[in-house]
Amino acid sequence: DAGVIQSPRHEVTEMGQEVTLRCKPISGHNSLFWYRQTMMRGLELLIYFNNNVPIDDSGMPEDRFSAKMPNASFSTLKIQPSEPRDSAVYFCASSLGSDTQYFGPGTRLTVL
Amino acid sequence: AQSVTQPDIHITVSEGASLELRCNYSYGATPYLFWYVQSPGQGLQLLLKYFSGDTLVQGIKGFEAEFKRSQSSFNLRKPSVHWSDAAEYFCAVGPFTGGGNKLTFGTGTQLKVEL
Repeated sequence: DAGVIQSPRHEVTEMGQEVTLRCKPISGHNSLFWYRQTMMRGLELLIYFNNNVPIDDSGMPEDRFSAKMPNASFSTLKIQPSEPRDSAVYFCASSLGSDTQYFGPGTRLTVL
Repeated sequence: AQSVTQPDIHITVSEGASLELRCNYSYGATPYLFWYVQSPGQGLQLLLKYFSGDTLVQGIKGFEAEFKRSQSSFNLRKPSVHWSDAAEYFCAVGPFTGGGNKLTFGTGTQLKVEL
């Protein structure tokens, strides 16, 4: 299996621009998670989906962040407009139900 | 609310020495416990997990962890550390539900291995 796939691996953008991060979960997994990792706040869960339905988005920082999962094999995390404080590594993870979460390699976002 | 405490931010050990990384959790019911490792520039990789059964859990790369309910702890151990074990280690706790597991991660312990 190819594992969780994230794209792009690195993104550099200017403040105010829209950023879209993409994730392809492991085939057959029905839960998908978006995390953000920073030095200051560590690893934070932003949102997670079960069977393509958002279950808990309490970690989404503000309305500038949105996430979708149109089908079982694809999810996006969008930031619009982006701000320098959004700079972080964003991880996507997937699992089969409550079993182990498998993490992707992450997207390193830099907002100038 | 569930929470995880990893009291050691940094630990340095000599290659070949034993290792113990501490993890304490707060959770109202029987927790689902994990240890993950993150190498620089990489995602998190599962080392081991515990839900029920034998409280001593074996994982990959020679790691093990022991669940102690009375101490609310799930410490990670390795009898002899290798230089390649240098990485950041995260403990996580979550409920065991039917669909999706909202994990809470600790702040991580950075392990340095001296040759």
